[in-house]
This record gives sequence, C-alpha cells and structure tokens, in this order.
Amino acid sequence: NFMLTQPHSVSESPGKTVTISCTRSSGSIASNYVQWYQQRPGSAPTTVIYEDNERPSGVPDRFSGSIDSSSNSASLTISGLKTEDEADYYCQSYDSSNLWVFGGGTKLTVL
Amino acid sequence: EVQLVESGGGLVQPGGSLRVSCAASRFTFSSYSMNWVRQAPGKGLEWVSYISTSSSNIYYADSVKGRFTISRDNAKNSLSLQMNSLRAEDTAVYYCVRYSYDQHLFDYWGQGILVTVSS
Repeated sequence: NFMLTQPHSVSESPGKTVTISCTRSSGSIASNYVQWYQQRPGSAPTTVIYEDNERPSGVPDRFSGSIDSSSNSASLTISGLKTEDEADYYCQSYDSSNLWVFGGGTKLTVL
Repeated sequence: EVQLVESGGGLVQPGGSLRVSCAASRFTFSSYSMNWVRQAPGKGLEWVSYISTSSSNIYYADSVKGRFTISRDNAKNSLSLQMNSLRAEDTAVYYCVRYSYDQHLFDYWGQGILVTVSS
C-alpha cells in the first residue's frame, strides 16, 4: 500500500511562484502517472495537470508539473499567482494494489 | 460538454441502505470507464469504486468492499452505487466521475450528491 503526502497548506503573494509537493510513501513515483486536481470551494475538482506534466486544454501555462525520483515526489508549480488560483489542490496516482490514490490535499492561499 | 448528474442522496440511519445514481449525457457513455469518488465534509478526496465499460472489471476501496455495489446500464447511460450497512464515516459528497484511460485521469466530474448517515 502507498500513500501520497502533501503539505496541508501553502501561501504566497500574487505574482509570485508556489510549488506544492506530493511524496509517495512506497514504490516509485515514476512507476505510475501523477495527476493534479484543483477544487474551488463548493465546486467539483477539475484537472490542472495529467500524466505528470501535461496540461489539459484551457489550463494556463502558469501551471506545470514534474516528478523527482530522488525524493520520490511530484510537484505542482504555479507561477504568476492570481487570486483566482486560491483553491485546494490534490495529487493522484495509481497502482495495481491500491488502485486510485489521492493525496490529502493542499490549501493554497494567495494573499 | 459532458454532463454527469447525480441523484438519490439524502439522510439515512446507520446500518441503512441508499442508492445513488448518475445520469450521463453528451458523450458515448458505453465507451468510458466510470468511478465514484467521495469527499467527507471538510476532508479530502477518496476513490470509492470503478467499473469498466462492459462491467467486466469492478474494483472497490477497502473501506467499502462488501458493503457497496457499483453497476451501470449502458442502454440508459446511467451509473449507480448501492450502499448497504452504512456507517457515519460514509457521510460524504459522492461524485460520479468519468475515467480517461488514454490520459490516465478522472477527466469529468459531476456536481456531487450529499449522503448523510446519522441517527
């Protein structure tokens, strides 16, 4: 069984860059793709990154994803922060034993 | 635009049963695997169950295995989740979610339906 661990919260000022980490507890982060979902209050999640670093159409290029095998973690980076980016962000991955696993979520505050 | 509309939520007593459904439209429902994902109040997302296009592959999270049953009707473009032996910890918003195998992601989500388990 594996877990995905995210920081509970992060905060940054408008115009700055923030990075949210997602660390896999066991097994290689590179063994299965990582997705990132944004959830604004009262709304369903939407995808901002899939397959580690791909952006769905309509997601601005201020959003980027990466994985780092040395730390066994994935990262979501948001540059040029806007107040509209304030939301909860969840990482998600998969393996054949645990099936689909979500991280605990990170609350991003843009202040 | 893809539409997924959940229904059937509400208040149920511990130990009781409830069935939530999802009406899918504006895409070829029979071509996509589907899932249920839930979110307890103020908590994170939890994957609950998966069903393949022809219902030949079905998976459950350990937390609901043996109590919940997922099913689909491709002729009616509908997905269901039968929930039995409900517990307080099953209280959550339940989302109907389409799965894109090509892109390995949950690509479309319904608006969610609240299920409350309480006496």
